[in-house]
Amino acid sequence: QSVLTQPPSVSGAPGQRVTISCTGSSSNIGAGYDVHWYQQLPGTAPKLLMYGNNNRPSGVPDRFSGSKSGTSASLAISRLQAEDEADYYCQSYDNSLSVFGGGTKLTVL
Amino acid sequence: QVQLVESGGGLVKPGGSLRLSCAASGFTFSDYYMSWIRQAPGKGLEWVSYISSSSSYTNYADSVKGRFTISRDNTKNSLYLQMNSLRAEDTAVYYCARGGHHQLAFDIWGQGTMVTVSS
Repeated sequence: QSVLTQPPSVSGAPGQRVTISCTGSSSNIGAGYDVHWYQQLPGTAPKLLMYGNNNRPSGVPDRFSGSKSGTSASLAISRLQAEDEADYYCQSYDNSLSVFGGGTKLTVL
Repeated sequence: QVQLVESGGGLVKPGGSLRLSCAASGFTFSDYYMSWIRQAPGKGLEWVSYISSSSSYTNYADSVKGRFTISRDNTKNSLYLQMNSLRAEDTAVYYCARGGHHQLAFDIWGQGTMVTVSS
């Protein structure tokens, strides 16, 4: 059971917009800790996709956006492309130790 | 370029030991906290341990506390994970990553090394 809760799967057609939620509690996201997001393409290592709730590292398309409110955070992917099919993980801190969500598999239909 | 390369994985019997290494390049290794994160087959990510830039501070997930030891050698730009009393549930791909404290993201990841604990 992960400390942060994500939906196991989401799907969308090319060109559509999808969102992935990440729900925590008052000891992690609700305590003010930043949320970060990672993309893991099949058979590869995770890659940082979003840091500090809503900041994109260099090279990440602006189709990806992040937000945080209260004890939850969300990752939105607009203008969905086939190459976005991957696993997505949120990460934050709980009592100063890193915690991850269980991951969400995005399927592009 | 900025890079992390893990090595040392393999097949080990339950109760055995293994030492993982992570070689860093392309950045000032001694400036950063470093972490180990693992991923069991078909499962999600689990943070394992972090070490501060000067080795003054370390911390571990409850699942490995007392069995695993993280260390680093800043003169060799290298991170290590000594794993003792290994169990079947330690079977995973182990990634080294830059970051893991002060609310920071894990911004650089290695390619991972597979550890299999089986008789």
